[in-house]
Amino acid sequence: DQQVKQNSPSLSVQEGRISILNCDYTNSMFDYFLWYKKYPAEGPTFLISISSIKDKNEDGRFTVFLNKSAKHLSLHIVPSQPGDSAVYFCAASANNYGQNFVFGPGTRLSVLP
Amino acid sequence: ETGVTQSPTHLIKTRGQQVTLRCSSQSGHNTVSWYQQALGQGPQFIFQYYREEENGRGNFPPRFSGLQFPNYSSELNVNALELDDSALYLCASSPETGAGYGYTFGSGTRLTVV
Repeated sequence: DQQVKQNSPSLSVQEGRISILNCDYTNSMFDYFLWYKKYPAEGPTFLISISSIKDKNEDGRFTVFLNKSAKHLSLHIVPSQPGDSAVYFCAASANNYGQNFVFGPGTRLSVLP
Repeated sequence: ETGVTQSPTHLIKTRGQQVTLRCSSQSGHNTVSWYQQALGQGPQFIFQYYREEENGRGNFPPRFSGLQFPNYSSELNVNALELDDSALYLCASSPETGAGYGYTFGSGTRLTVV
């Protein structure tokens, strides 16, 4: 039973446009969420996080939105660049001690020039 | 400042054998977590070590064990290997235990069990 779902295995976006990656979760105890980006043959790279006391967190071109009532979060990338092409993982934790992050299966983003 | 390094990068083992994977954490990081990533899936948490003590464990059997050394490097040991253990094993380090630190991952060890 997947507790963290990323229902779009892949997404293609034109350079300069907005990329929206979605993530849904089932465990209402999750209160901290992260997004990671992974290039082939490299480990995941931390992008941005959000705690449940917020509904938005912004860092440069990356913004994460959290809707706790819908158990849904999304990552917006504006403007999208070809270097953003990677697999994006959503991860959730039920506490703030980092012992156990539950990852989604990932969404492969392709930004077309 | 070096990142997280893992060795070896690739490994082939036979079912029933034992394997040790190694991880050097990023300088200044005292927390190491290990994850297993099967093909087409997200990473799954195995366990975490904080200042040489196990600090949380995922849903993995006891044949998955670990160690953290005084320099905060870490090992993952898997006994009695099974075919389903074939996966990418990722090590992640952090300056402290806590989700807010955004763990730094290594490139992983690709283990194939035949």
